[in-house]
Amino acid sequence: KAGVTQTPRYLIKTRGQQVTLSCSPISGHRSVSWYQQTPGQGLQFLFEYFSETQRNKGNFPGRFSGRQFSNSRSEMNVSTLELGDSALYLCASSLGQGVGETQYFGPGTRLLVL
Amino acid sequence: QKEVEQDPGPLSVPEGAIVSLNCTYSNSAFQYFMWYRQYSRKGPELLMYTYSSGNKEDGRFTAQVDKSSKYISLFIRDSQPSDSATYLCAMRGLGGGADGLTFGKGTHLIIQP
Repeated sequence: KAGVTQTPRYLIKTRGQQVTLSCSPISGHRSVSWYQQTPGQGLQFLFEYFSETQRNKGNFPGRFSGRQFSNSRSEMNVSTLELGDSALYLCASSLGQGVGETQYFGPGTRLLVL
Repeated sequence: QKEVEQDPGPLSVPEGAIVSLNCTYSNSAFQYFMWYRQYSRKGPELLMYTYSSGNKEDGRFTAQVDKSSKYISLFIRDSQPSDSATYLCAMRGLGGGADGLTFGKGTHLIIQP
């Protein structure tokens, strides 16, 4: 079974721009979660989508948003980019059955904001 | 105090040694505990998954959870240079739906040949 895929793998943007990242979950997985990883803060949860609905949200500003499509693929958008948004953005998928299930991560999209 | 504390290392040990990696946490609601391994420029890979207190063994890896002390450990026996990576502990509670995982910042492990 193919793993979680993320595109693009690398991105360079400038402050004030916006960016959209894409994630394709493992086949059959209906839940997609997004995380931000930085050297200072580590891995932090952004939000989780299940059946095209945001089911859970971390403590990030409204500039960070996402959506999920009927085929479970998900996109994450960051508007008005700031230097501090430079990070590895990771997507994780799971079956979506809830309590106790594990998440499988993609390789990430490395975003650099100049 | 952060919810999950993990020594960032680096931790450097010779090949063949037993490695002990640890995390402490403050949220007593955490019930599921995981260890992920992350190689440079890759996404985290799930290594071990345990529920509540106890031990779990998988090959050279053993995970221990002590909920009374809010302390979890990962032991690696017969360590190999290919084990060199960052090890992240992660945990979550029993909340309905898939609550986001709370991660430690990771321990950078170096196995010297």
